[in-house]
Amino acid sequence: EPEVTQTPSHQVTQMGQEVILRCVPISNHLYFYWYRQILGQKVEFLVSFYNNEISEKSEIFDDQFSVERPDGSNFTLKIRSTKLEDSAMYFCASHRRVSNNEQFFGPGTRLTVL
Amino acid sequence: AQSVTQLDSQVPVFEEAPVELRCNYSSSVSVYLFWYVQYPNQGLQLLLKYLSGSTLVKGINGFEAEFNKSQTSFHLRKPSVHISDTAEYFCALGTGTASKLTFGTGTRLQVTL
Repeated sequence: EPEVTQTPSHQVTQMGQEVILRCVPISNHLYFYWYRQILGQKVEFLVSFYNNEISEKSEIFDDQFSVERPDGSNFTLKIRSTKLEDSAMYFCASHRRVSNNEQFFGPGTRLTVL
Repeated sequence: AQSVTQLDSQVPVFEEAPVELRCNYSSSVSVYLFWYVQYPNQGLQLLLKYLSGSTLVKGINGFEAEFNKSQTSFHLRKPSVHISDTAEYFCALGTGTASKLTFGTGTRLQVTL
C-alpha cells in the first residue's frame, strides 16, 4: 500500500541554523500539507500546497518558513533560522482530491533545536 | 472559523470494557470528520472518516463513530478495548472549501488489565 514517507526521522540542529525537512507524498496525490505537533500539544496546520503554490498558510508559517516541490516527488519544508520554539514533530500529509480531505500522514520528523 | 473540542484529555479503561471518546465541533459550513490514532513515537493513522451518507461509520480495529449534526458531535466508540488500543486519539475536521484539517487536543486512551 502506498504511503507518505519523511526524512530524516530525527533532526537535531543548533539555534539559528537552517533545516530542510523532506517528504515524499503518495505518487498520484495533488494536495500537500505540513503540520506540526509540539510535544504534548495538538497537531497544528502550517501550510497547504497545490499546483506548485501555497494555497493556505497559518499564522505560524512566517517568513522563516518556506515550502517547495523541487521535482515530481519531493515536498520540502525549510526553516531558515531555527528557534528553540521550532522544536516539534513535523508531519507531512497529502491527498488526491479536495472534495473529501482524506489526508494521509507521514511518520513525522522530530526536530530538536538546541 | 472551525474548531474541535475533545473534552477528555485522558480516559482510563479496563481491557474488554467499552469506551467512548468524545468529540464536538463547531463550523459554519459542511464538515468532514476524522478520527486519527497516534501510537507512541509514531505518526497519525486514520481510524475512520465521515464524508457524507450514513451517520454511523465503521473504521479499523473495531472502532466506530456516529456523526450527530444536531449535537455537533462525532464520538468514537469501541465495544471492547484491548491493551493494544492504548494510544492518543485525535478528532479532526475538514471542510470542502478549506482543505486544512483542524485537530482537537487529543484524548489519551489508557487500557489496563
